[in-house]
Amino acid sequence: GAVVSQHPSRVICKSGTSVKIECRSLDFQATTMFWYRQFPKQSLMLMATSNEGSKATYEQGVEKDKFLINHASLTLSTLTVTSAHPEDSSFYICSANPSGRATDTQYFGPGTRLTVL
Amino acid sequence: GNSVTQMEGPVTLSEEAFLTINCTYTATGYPSLFWYVQYPGEGLQLLLKATKADDKGSNKGFEATYRKETTSFHLEKGSVQVSDSAVYFCALTTDNNNDMRFGAGTRLTVKP
Repeated sequence: GAVVSQHPSRVICKSGTSVKIECRSLDFQATTMFWYRQFPKQSLMLMATSNEGSKATYEQGVEKDKFLINHASLTLSTLTVTSAHPEDSSFYICSANPSGRATDTQYFGPGTRLTVL
Repeated sequence: GNSVTQMEGPVTLSEEAFLTINCTYTATGYPSLFWYVQYPGEGLQLLLKATKADDKGSNKGFEATYRKETTSFHLEKGSVQVSDSAVYFCALTTDNNNDMRFGAGTRLTVKP
């Protein structure tokens, strides 16, 4: 099946610094990728939809300037958490859909655990 | 808007017990329904899916039937194993929204 990777898998940073998380589709091209946030023992919450070659679409309540998304190529989307604070500590997960069709299976990355001290 | 309501856990069962995890949905349009599983320390994996009413998705002994009349997609397995211990998420997408909405997740623990 399709493979999605994320890097890094785990990152610890100091408050006030910025952290970049990469999401790559390894064996397919994806014009659309999705970024989720998962709190401990809770569900995934969609943060934004990353669109190759255009601006990301953010869900209500997600700060665009805080969570910068860049989808520079058909196989790479990046999420940058700017001026991170302890409340940004979470598990961030990306997904991509090879066909681009909403009703087809999404393939998920293994996630990135961010800890902000 | 689209949403998924899932039976909250945690659920603890003995090996070979019968499993049901309830999932109901609200959607505009015609959703596709999914069950994803998250094993400890791993990312989400597709378990099964159904794309239209009355379809039955099945995999690894798990089954779920897309019931439009009750807007449900309950997950069942006749005999669980210790290796089934994981968190299970019900989810949906629709043609007019290219994203996925998840239920809260149900943590299943199977004891020998």
